[in-house]
Amino acid sequence: DTGVSQNPRHKITKRGQNVTFRCDPISEHNRLYWYRQTLGQGPEFLTYFQNEAQLEKSRLLSDRFSAERPKGSFSTLEIQRTEQGDSAMYLCASSLYPGSAETQYFGPGTRLLVL
Amino acid sequence: QKEVEQNSGPLSVPEGAIASLNCTYSDRGSQSFFWYRQYSGKSPELIMFIYSNGDKEDGRFTAQLNKASQYVSLLIRDSQPSDSATYLCAVNPPTGGFKTIFGAGTRLFVKA
Repeated sequence: DTGVSQNPRHKITKRGQNVTFRCDPISEHNRLYWYRQTLGQGPEFLTYFQNEAQLEKSRLLSDRFSAERPKGSFSTLEIQRTEQGDSAMYLCASSLYPGSAETQYFGPGTRLLVL
Repeated sequence: QKEVEQNSGPLSVPEGAIASLNCTYSDRGSQSFFWYRQYSGKSPELIMFIYSNGDKEDGRFTAQLNKASQYVSLLIRDSQPSDSATYLCAVNPPTGGFKTIFGAGTRLFVKA
């Protein structure tokens, strides 16, 4: 399968715990994006990378959130001291820049539930 | 004002009819516009993108862009029950980088 993959697909954690999600983009894609989506809303931009460089980060992203893409391939998103409001679907997408219409291809998402 | 606005619906159309989905955006300098389809519990998948004013057709789908009115629409001809999903409008504003802004989506139901 050459699509975007995300692990785990589901995560249940207790408030205050740290969680880490992984995204493996399409192999030739140099841009990687993280979004958060809650029920009834569209995906909300969190951050994006071009290769290993984090080029933009939403001001909505608190200091508890951090993302890395150390070798320009896979990426991790960590949430420290989780809160119930962090419960959402976390989506990863990748694209090839410059390329076809900045088309972003989404992974299946990681659904997080904070109890 | 939200940056990208869509009617949340639900929009209900009979099978075989034309479904019309609308989107407005606030940043007049926005350059690229996308329509994604999202089935319940799944991730978004790209249907079409459009850059220039006018119409762009791809199979049963037509995207329409009017930059003067800051308006994007998606027409689905010969709607099928399998088209029932949430349709997300997305915009890349001209602020540098590629911070795509999504609308909240319109739920479409196609009745058999």
